[in-house]
Amino acid sequence: SQKIEQNSEALNIQEGKTATLTCNYTNYSPAYLQWYRQDPGRGPVFLLLIRENEKEKRKERLKVTFDTTLKQSLFHITASQPADSATYLCALDSRSDYKLSFGAGTTVTVRA
Amino acid sequence: DTGVSQNPRHKITKRGQNVTFRCDPISEHNRLYWYRQTLGQGPEFLTYFQNEAQLEKSRLLSDRFSAERPKGSFSTLEIQRTEQGDSAMYLCASSFPRQNTGELFFGEGSRLTVL
Repeated sequence: SQKIEQNSEALNIQEGKTATLTCNYTNYSPAYLQWYRQDPGRGPVFLLLIRENEKEKRKERLKVTFDTTLKQSLFHITASQPADSATYLCALDSRSDYKLSFGAGTTVTVRA
Repeated sequence: DTGVSQNPRHKITKRGQNVTFRCDPISEHNRLYWYRQTLGQGPEFLTYFQNEAQLEKSRLLSDRFSAERPKGSFSTLEIQRTEQGDSAMYLCASSFPRQNTGELFFGEGSRLTVL
């Protein structure tokens, strides 16, 4: 069956450090992978998209890598700030349409 | 561009009652999606529309759930004879497929509590 797994444990880090989140998937052949941020009680907000033929994508303090051989994406938040505290979701397309399947998310807390 | 709008934001109902949620997508977006999210889980796909056509429904969507998108603009999600297991956040999202990326723009969600 298809499965998307993110870090099972919440991540607690010190301000200024780098947070690294993982997203592993099985039985998918995604054309691209997306990362979203979700604050409590709010809808997810799109952050980054990386295509299957891309190894790495950056946006400001965010970096995403995509390894289709390992079936894994890594999401990095560098120079983390307390405002980065949120749940981060990875999402894959199904290739047949633009329906996204989401992982359960990883909650990040950045301590000042 | 006012973003995706969902109403009501919160709904508390008694088991067995019917509830309806409304979603107004971003105006130029022709794809509209409904997802459901429970605590500690990611959004779970329910159904989606391209314009007014409902193109796919999840097998998770029981017969008590119905969604419409008349005229390809706003959409409604109705749950009949609600059960406690229906308690969740119902998220609406829209997209503009000509971007060819599938990025979704989500609303703030409608939280349903069934007593």
